[in-house]
Amino acid sequence: NAGVTQTPKFRILKIGQSMTLQCTQDMNHNYMYWYRQDPGMGLKLIYYSVGAGITDKGEVPNGYNVSRSTTEDFPLRLELAAPSQTSVYFCASTWDNFYEQYFGPGTRLTVT
Amino acid sequence: KQEVTQIPAALSVPEGENLVLNCSFTDSAIYNLQWFRQDPGKGLTSLLLIQSSQREQTSGRLNASLDKSSGRSTLYIAASQPGDSATYLCAGDSGGSNYKLTFGKGTLLTVNP
Repeated sequence: NAGVTQTPKFRILKIGQSMTLQCTQDMNHNYMYWYRQDPGMGLKLIYYSVGAGITDKGEVPNGYNVSRSTTEDFPLRLELAAPSQTSVYFCASTWDNFYEQYFGPGTRLTVT
Repeated sequence: KQEVTQIPAALSVPEGENLVLNCSFTDSAIYNLQWFRQDPGKGLTSLLLIQSSQREQTSGRLNASLDKSSGRSTLYIAASQPGDSATYLCAGDSGGSNYKLTFGKGTLLTVNP
């Protein structure tokens, strides 16, 4: 049972490039989330999903897109990367709203 | 909009001390509250979850409580050890079917041998 896995661990992008951050969980969780964490700050919610085919915006969705075609996978797409998207990105999942959220190890992204 | 304040921002203590970390929410209507630990360059590890019907949770040397009337939570760490050194984050959700957590900025704890 690997829990929540994220790839890549690190990435450097040039301004205007695009990329997809991968997130997979093997716990059959319904709810999945993408957060970003800037230095010295708490985590901010980007997008979330309550089940396959259902996604919704969080607090800071601009510049990102998501899809949820399966229960296990919740990729985050960055289009036209900007320096403001330099951050550490965390994916999380949970069974439903009575249970704790489990986090992946994060992806450290730098946009230059 | 829910905002979360964690006090203190940083704390340095000698090994063996008991300590308290504080967390407060601008909207006291907290449904679930979760405390996390984050080591440098790592992801978040869940420590304790206080569910909507609960007021307190304990795990080993850790005890977390939630006062829903004031929107305040405390994390008590007994007999601190150098291995407890990390950033501690609290996060709460205001209910509803979507279960969205709002995070504080964390308390950086250093336990000195």
